Formats: sequence, C-alpha cells, structure tokens
Amino acid sequence: DVKVTQSSRYLVKRTGEKVFLECVQDMDHENMFWYRQDPGLGLRLIYFSYDVKMKEKGDIPEGYSVSREKKERFSLILESASTNQTSMYLCASRHNTEAFFGQGTRLTVV
Amino acid sequence: TQLLEQSPQFLSIQEGENLTVYCNSSSVFSSLQWYRQEPGEGPVLLVTVVTGGEVKKLKRLTFQFGDARKDSSLHITAAQPGDTGLYLCAGDGGATNKLIFGTGTLLAVQP
Repeated sequence: DVKVTQSSRYLVKRTGEKVFLECVQDMDHENMFWYRQDPGLGLRLIYFSYDVKMKEKGDIPEGYSVSREKKERFSLILESASTNQTSMYLCASRHNTEAFFGQGTRLTVV
Repeated sequence: TQLLEQSPQFLSIQEGENLTVYCNSSSVFSSLQWYRQEPGEGPVLLVTVVTGGEVKKLKRLTFQFGDARKDSSLHITAAQPGDTGLYLCAGDGGATNKLIFGTGTLLAVQP
C-alpha cells in the first residue's frame, strides 16, 4: 500500500514563527502536492512538485514556500505564520491519475 | 484559474433515500475523479472518469462524466449511514499535472 506520512497531526504556532510541515511518501512518485482545506472551500492547491528541486505555484501560494531536495520528501514552509494560515494542510503524492493523501496536519496559529 | 463548484454544499438525509451530488466547471478536464473523506483522514479515491458521457458504477454509487467533460455527477441509491462523509470531485489539469478539487459536499445519512 502507498503510504503518505505527514510529520504532525496537530500543531500550534505563534504569529510570526517559521513553520515547517513535512511530508514523506514511500512509492517513488514524481508528483507531490500541498493543499489547504477550509470549510466550504474544498481543497485549494498551494504548491506542487513534479520532480526533485522542481516546483510550481498552485492557486494560493502567497505566504508559503516549498522544498523538495529528495524525491520522497516534500516540505511546506510558512515563512512568518499568520492567523489566516490556521487550517488543515494535506499532502498528496500522485501516480497516473490517483492521488494518495496523508492524514493531514491541523495547524493553529495564535 | 480552473474552478470546480459542487452542489449541494450540505446534505442530510434518512437511510434508504437516494441523492445526487453535482460537480460543475466552465473548464474542460481530461479526467475527473471523485474522492470521499472521513473525519480525521485524507481523501480516498472512489473513481476516475475519462471519457465524455462515461458512466461508472461502484455498488450503490453511480458516477457520470458530462459529454463536454466539464461536469460530473454522483448518484447514491438507498444511502446508508456508512456513506456519511465529505465528497470531493477533482479535475485533472492535464499537461500541468495539477489536480484541482471542488468545494465539497458534506453528506450525513441518518439511521
């Protein structure tokens, strides 16, 4: 079975902190994605990566950056956390058409 | 920006009822997927449709892709409490490898 693992289920951070969300997949997939999920808005794409060191902005990249130094790991970085970044963050990897998701990280910025 | 709108946003029904969820866009997608998400978990793929007009059945769930590949529907027959969850459609952005998700439909099936 494909496994996508996010490093934390719950995080509480202070405004202005630098936050790292880590995601690891074990199936050698080339494509990886970061989404945020908010009620009534579905999943919105922040960034995606189609290969090591390759990244593309999604629909809401402002305030975020990403890093993909190894194929299995895709990190989302909040340079200076703000309260409007409180959300559920979901990482996914993709093979052909199917996307496989981690369990999500619920981030609260206070 | 490609957008997928789902309706209804919320649906609460009794066990045994039928329901239909809609996913609409002004953009054409090379394929469209439906996922179900349960509380505390990530979405899990139910089905992928790739051909305009295609109909796929998964037990009591019937999925249809519009002829123009801009919309899709999910029909559930005789809903069960186990069908409760958030249903999400997702469109394949094609060459960009982007997967764009809809706004979601939260379904609650009461016993």
